[in-house]
Formats: sequence, structure tokens, C-alpha cells
Amino acid sequence: GQQVMQIPQYQHVQEGEDFTTYCNSSTTLSNIQWYKQRPGGHPVFLIQLVKSGEVKKQKRLTFQFGEAKKNSSLHITATQTTDVGTYFCAGRASNTGKLIFGQGTTLQVKP
Amino acid sequence: DAGVTQSPTHLIKTRGQQVTLRCSPKSGHDTVSWYQQALGQGPQFIFQYYEEEERQRGNFPDRFSGHQFPNYSSELNVNALLLGDSALYLCASSFDSGAGELFFGEGSRLTVL
Repeated sequence: GQQVMQIPQYQHVQEGEDFTTYCNSSTTLSNIQWYKQRPGGHPVFLIQLVKSGEVKKQKRLTFQFGEAKKNSSLHITATQTTDVGTYFCAGRASNTGKLIFGQGTTLQVKP
Repeated sequence: DAGVTQSPTHLIKTRGQQVTLRCSPKSGHDTVSWYQQALGQGPQFIFQYYEEEERQRGNFPDRFSGHQFPNYSSELNVNALLLGDSALYLCASSFDSGAGELFFGEGSRLTVL
């Protein structure tokens, strides 16, 4: 079945450093979504990418969708303590339409 | 405007028992998806309901069943509970048959002893 893998599983950075998490799908995706889950909270939608090679920015966050629509990345510039949490990608398979989540990357930011 | 509401927030059951979890979607949403999130893991897709029917299903056994009511609210039922069913159960609602973003509830934390 469809699998969505994320790396790294954990990342500890000093405040002000950059952070990147990568997402890879075993199948071609019709779109990919990113969510953030704070400790003890629930996933909150960040963005959806649909087009091959698409790049979207939200302030210090940059999201990319691969040309083959099987991979994606989230890059945070100059991390802040408010960026702490787990970032999940969720890929929607082109053939089934199911939205499958990766296992997430947990970001810790040291002030 | 109320978001997605789930009940109960926490519950404890013993092996072999049955549990029902409830979800009210965000106003205007017609699609409900259920996810199971074990500690330290990503949400695992259980199933999705649209127009009172199960549209899609993940790799979960038949012990997991659901229902969607005419007002779009939904229930998740789990029979013959196992220790491994202990997890946070998340309900997510969306509009347009689930093609867009998901709005998650706070979840129901189930502990099976």
C-alpha cells in the first residue's frame, strides 16, 4: 500500500538556525498537505501543494513539491521557539485519493 | 463558529470491551475522516465518511466500524478492544468530499487496560 516517509524523525536546533524536513511517497500524489502539531495538541493545517515543482512561502516557511509529485520539503528559516512541534506531511494518492500521513519530524528549538 | 468537537476527551476501557467515539464536524463540512495516532507516530487513516457512507478505508480490521448521521456528525466504534488500540483517536472534517484541508478535533484519548 501507499507509504509516506519523513526524515529526520527528530531535529534539535539552536534558535536562529534553519530547519528542513523531507517527505517521500511510494506512489505519485495528486497533492500534498503539511500540518503542525504542538505538544499535547492536534494537527493544524499549514498548506496544500498541488502542482509539480510548486513552491509556496508563508513568512519564514518554504514548502516545495517535487517535479515527479512524489516528494516534498518544508524549510524554516531562522527558527524561533514558537516553531516547536511535530511537522507532518500528508500525501493524497492519485490512484486511491486517500490522505496518508508521514510519521512526522519533531522540532526542538533551544533558546 | 464551533470547530470540530469530539467526545469523550479521555476514556479507559479493558480488553474485550467495546467503545464508541463521537465527532461533530465544523459547520458547513460534509465529510468526516477518522485517524488513529499512537504515541510518537503520525495519524493512521481509519476511514472516511461522506453522504452517510464509508467512502474510503485504511488498513484497519473490521472491529473498527463507523457511521455518519444526516447532520454529518459521526461515530467510531471499536469492538473487542486490544491493548494495542490504546491511542489518540482524531476526527477531521472537511468540505467538498475531503479533497481539501482537514480540520482536526482535539481527539479522544483511549486507554485499554
